[in-house]
Amino acid sequence: QVQLVESGGGVVQPGRSLRLSCAASGFTFSDYGMHWVRQAPGKGLEWVAIISYDGSNKYYADSVKGRFTISRANSKNTLYLQMNSLRAEDTAVYYCAKDPSGDGYNVLEYWGQGTLVTVSS
Amino acid sequence: QSALTQPASVSGSPGQSITISCTGTSSDVGGYSSVSWYQQHPGKAPKLMIYDVSNRPSGLSNRFSGSKSGNTASLTISGLQAEDEADYYCSSYTSSSTLVFGGGTKLTVL
Repeated sequence: QVQLVESGGGVVQPGRSLRLSCAASGFTFSDYGMHWVRQAPGKGLEWVAIISYDGSNKYYADSVKGRFTISRANSKNTLYLQMNSLRAEDTAVYYCAKDPSGDGYNVLEYWGQGTLVTVSS
Repeated sequence: QSALTQPASVSGSPGQSITISCTGTSSDVGGYSSVSWYQQHPGKAPKLMIYDVSNRPSGLSNRFSGSKSGNTASLTISGLQAEDEADYYCSSYTSSSTLVFGGGTKLTVL
């Protein structure tokens, strides 16, 4: 069965960096697009980024463009989110999610359980 | 990338039907057949309920259905059950090749 396990969350000071990981299993990771979605405490869902199956195409929400980078290591079945210049408003639970298409069908078919990132001094 | 508009809350009694709306623009909901709906229980990850406006993932109850007219998509839940009480989010592909969510709707089963 599909499993997505996020890690790397924690408390970080404003302006610093953090890298999240998402370990995938139960499917051929290199065949599918992947997303990051976040949810601030008590708030709604916010889409963050998508990467195609081979990493050739990436798109970002305006709120993170230029600060966050999505990447993947297909040999390790792992998705990453490099977060730089973190702000208080980046505080959220970060979810990775599998797309049913390689190029990004923009459907979040399976979700991980999330990892909490808290940006605070 | 403005969020899609959903009602903050809806409610219904067991056995009744409810509909949640999701309003966007011609650059997202109205321009593509890529509207999805997600259910989220407190403290849990979201779950895909509807994709491509009206398709249900395999194994999902047919009490859940979706539709779209113009710039507004809708999720209908028939035969309401206590376990349907949750937050519901719509999403749509956009002309910027991104994804946008609605603000979410809290469903209360009375």
